[in-house]
Amino acid sequence: QEQLVQSGGGLVKPGGSLRLSCAASGFTFNHYYMTWIRQAPGKGLEWVSFVSDSGTYTSDADSVKGRFTISRDNAKNALYLQMNSLRVEDTGVYYCARPHSVSGVITTFDIWGQGTLVTVSS
Amino acid sequence: QSALTQPASVSGSPGQSITISCTGTSRDVGGYNYVSWYQQHPGKAPKLIIYDVTNRPSGVSNRFSGSKFGNTASLTISGLQSEDEADYYCSSYTDTSTPWVFGGGTKLTVL
Repeated sequence: QEQLVQSGGGLVKPGGSLRLSCAASGFTFNHYYMTWIRQAPGKGLEWVSFVSDSGTYTSDADSVKGRFTISRDNAKNALYLQMNSLRVEDTGVYYCARPHSVSGVITTFDIWGQGTLVTVSS
Repeated sequence: QSALTQPASVSGSPGQSITISCTGTSRDVGGYNYVSWYQQHPGKAPKLIIYDVTNRPSGVSNRFSGSKFGNTASLTISGLQSEDEADYYCSSYTDTSTPWVFGGGTKLTVL
């Protein structure tokens, strides 16, 4: 079945780096844009980054711009999020998610990974 | 502070119906028919239950329904069941620099 399985995450000190991975299966990965969405402890959801189906176009939320880099390897059906210069406020659960599009507009996220916890603390 | 406003909590008894509201602006909820609703049980990933305001993904119970009027979208759950107890989040496409925004979430308690 269609699924996303995440790995990576953990505890890191402020200013440190982490790389998250997301393995896709059950669907044609290179046909879809992909996204990362995060959730701070006890808080709501926040869109973080997206990458186009080919990987050539990316966009990031202002809160992570210049620090996080989204990428993908279509040969491996894998999505990545490289997180540098991490801050305490980056703490939370990070989800990879597959978008659903209508007439070229991403309107929702229909498949989600299980989530991975990132804790930034000294 | 979340971009979309939801009540922090709602409750209902088994068999009853409840409605959760999601209020935005003309640049998101009011401007596009691209509102989604997600159900999240503790420690689990969000699950899509309504998309494009009124559509249900395959496999989602028809007890869940969505609607929109002006800048406010609503999720209605009819025939409440104990397994409906969860957090519910709305989201919308937006024509700002952040293309998708979310609500702060509503905790549903089934009494």
